[in-house]
Amino acid sequence: QQQVRQSPQSLTVWEGETAILNCSYENSAFDYFPWYQQFPGEGPALLIAIRSVSDKKEDGRFTIFFNKREKKLSLHITDSQPGDSATYFCAANSGGSNYKLTFGKGTLLTVTP
Amino acid sequence: NAGVIQTPRHKVTGKGQEATLWCEPISGHSAVFWYRQTIVQGLEFLTYFRNQAPIDDSGMPKERFSAQMPNQSHSTLKIQSTQPQDSAVYLCASSLDFTGDNERLFFGHGTKLSVL
Repeated sequence: QQQVRQSPQSLTVWEGETAILNCSYENSAFDYFPWYQQFPGEGPALLIAIRSVSDKKEDGRFTIFFNKREKKLSLHITDSQPGDSATYFCAANSGGSNYKLTFGKGTLLTVTP
Repeated sequence: NAGVIQTPRHKVTGKGQEATLWCEPISGHSAVFWYRQTIVQGLEFLTYFRNQAPIDDSGMPKERFSAQMPNQSHSTLKIQSTQPQDSAVYLCASSLDFTGDNERLFFGHGTKLSVL
């Protein structure tokens, strides 16, 4: 059973557009949701994260929108740049001492100049 | 700060051979994780050490996989009798203590294991 689902699998946007990456989860106990960015040949790197007490987290061009009732969240990347082309993973855990992150299978984003 | 260092970057083994993967976590980080990444399964948790002590190895295939952390500066993942299905990128990550505001994982570049 896949506890964290991401859509779409791949997404292509033009430079300057807003990319929207979706994530949903099953486990109501999840309360920490990081997004990791991975470039080819590298390990994932934390991009931005949100806790379930918030419904929005913003960091520059990156914003997470969180809907606890529907168990859904989305990552919006505004003014997309070619350098944003990467795979984005949504992850979750139940916080506190729960160290085991459950990752979605990722969305491959391509930003075309 | 060189980040998490994993060696080798690539390893090719024959079926049935042993593979040992090395990880040097960031100095001062007390939490060390191993994950496995494949196209089909994505990122899967394997095992977790805290202050060098094994805390959770629930993601490890029991029979052929083992992990150790003999000191705070390195961890090893050993796979005995490697099988083609073990082919994957093995990622090591460390964290300050993975509690509260310190839940950020710092990943290494990974070791790509290919079993022929």
